[in-house]
Amino acid sequence: SQQGEEDPQALSIQEGENATMNCSYKTSINNLQWYRQNSGRGLVHLILIRSNEREKHSGRLRVTLDTSKKSSSLLITASRAADTASYFCATRTNSGANSKLTFGKGITLSVRP
Amino acid sequence: DAGVIQSPRHEVTEMGQEVTLRCKPISGHDYLFWYRQTMMRGLELLIYFNNNVPIDDSGMPEDRFSAKMPNASFSTLKIQPSEPRDSAVYFCASSLSGGGYGYTFGSGTRLTVV
Repeated sequence: SQQGEEDPQALSIQEGENATMNCSYKTSINNLQWYRQNSGRGLVHLILIRSNEREKHSGRLRVTLDTSKKSSSLLITASRAADTASYFCATRTNSGANSKLTFGKGITLSVRP
Repeated sequence: DAGVIQSPRHEVTEMGQEVTLRCKPISGHDYLFWYRQTMMRGLELLIYFNNNVPIDDSGMPEDRFSAKMPNASFSTLKIQPSEPRDSAVYFCASSLSGGGYGYTFGSGTRLTVV
């Protein structure tokens, strides 16, 4: 079952604009991660935010986490055509050392040149 | 490191045939995961291993699916007999332990069962 639900399902923006993608989840988490998948390729880990963190940055990426609302957002600033991909949030629950990641269904981002 | 290596990249087989997918994780990673991705169901975790031992195989759809990890550098996912509904992209991923690490995915095997 999907723990993380991304929103919107698809997003189309112009190059240079910012892209904001949201993820909501249901149960308590240990951390939340965002991945990117280019067409025909495997998923690539972008950023991890722990449950005791509220915001994290990596280059043009900014991730926020609101555990009270069980939600996270991924912001890509100054988007580029190369950012066109599917983006997935994944949650790791607090169920011990062998807990696993559960992925959402993903958001398709199109950045128009 | 060359990353997680999966083979073959593409596999087309006839219904009823046995299919074996292969994965070489990143050296030093002690977790290995097999996922299946389809448009309808998204990414589904099939099974994962810790230190070569299967931990959770609750996602394996049927007895037709089996997975092994005979050593730290190799794992297989076998489907026997294959059916058209098994058509999907199968990903292998590996990770360090501790919960605070992301997964490294392979490029996947696109399986088509006709």
